[in-house]
Amino acid sequence: NAGVTQTPKFRVLKTGQSMTLLCAQDMNHEYMYWYRQDPGMGLRLIHYSVGEGTTAKGEVPDGYNVSRLKKQNFLLGLESAAPSQTSVYFCASSPTTDTQYFGPGTRLTVL
Amino acid sequence: SQQGEEDPQALSIQEGENATMNCSYKTSINNLQWYRQNSGRGLVHLILIRSNEREKHSGRLRVTLDTSKKSSSLLITASRAADTASYFCAIDNYGQNFVFGPGTRLSVLP
Repeated sequence: NAGVTQTPKFRVLKTGQSMTLLCAQDMNHEYMYWYRQDPGMGLRLIHYSVGEGTTAKGEVPDGYNVSRLKKQNFLLGLESAAPSQTSVYFCASSPTTDTQYFGPGTRLTVL
Repeated sequence: SQQGEEDPQALSIQEGENATMNCSYKTSINNLQWYRQNSGRGLVHLILIRSNEREKHSGRLRVTLDTSKKSSSLLITASRAADTASYFCAIDNYGQNFVFGPGTRLSVLP
């Protein structure tokens, strides 16, 4: 039981490049979330999903897209990366709106 | 927004002392949760307290909730160096997601 895994762990992009972050969970959770965390700040919700095939916007969705084609996977895409998207990205899953289980994070730098 | 606000922003104590951090919020909640984040890691769930509960315990952790004051506190007793981390409260305000506060950075000195 790996819990929540994120791929990749680190990435450096140039402005304008695109990339996809993968989140996978093996706990059969319905809910999945993508957050970003900037220095000295809490987590801000980017997008979330309440089940396979569904997605919804969070607090800071601009510049990001997501897909949940399979229940166990939640993908976060950056179509045209900007320096303001330099951050640590965390994925989480939960069976209900109670406890969230977090992945280890992806550190993204956009030059 | 319904962001939880932790207080203090940073706290430094000696090993063996108790650490108390607070979380305030603005509107009604379904539940409130506390998470810990060690440096460079993801968040780990510590404890959940529901709106109809006033106090919960888990090992050396004690959480209280005062819905009339819209605040919660997390007490860590007999702190250890391994408790050094950032602590976040997360608000569930009957939505489909949570709102996290900016966190309290706790340093426990040996």
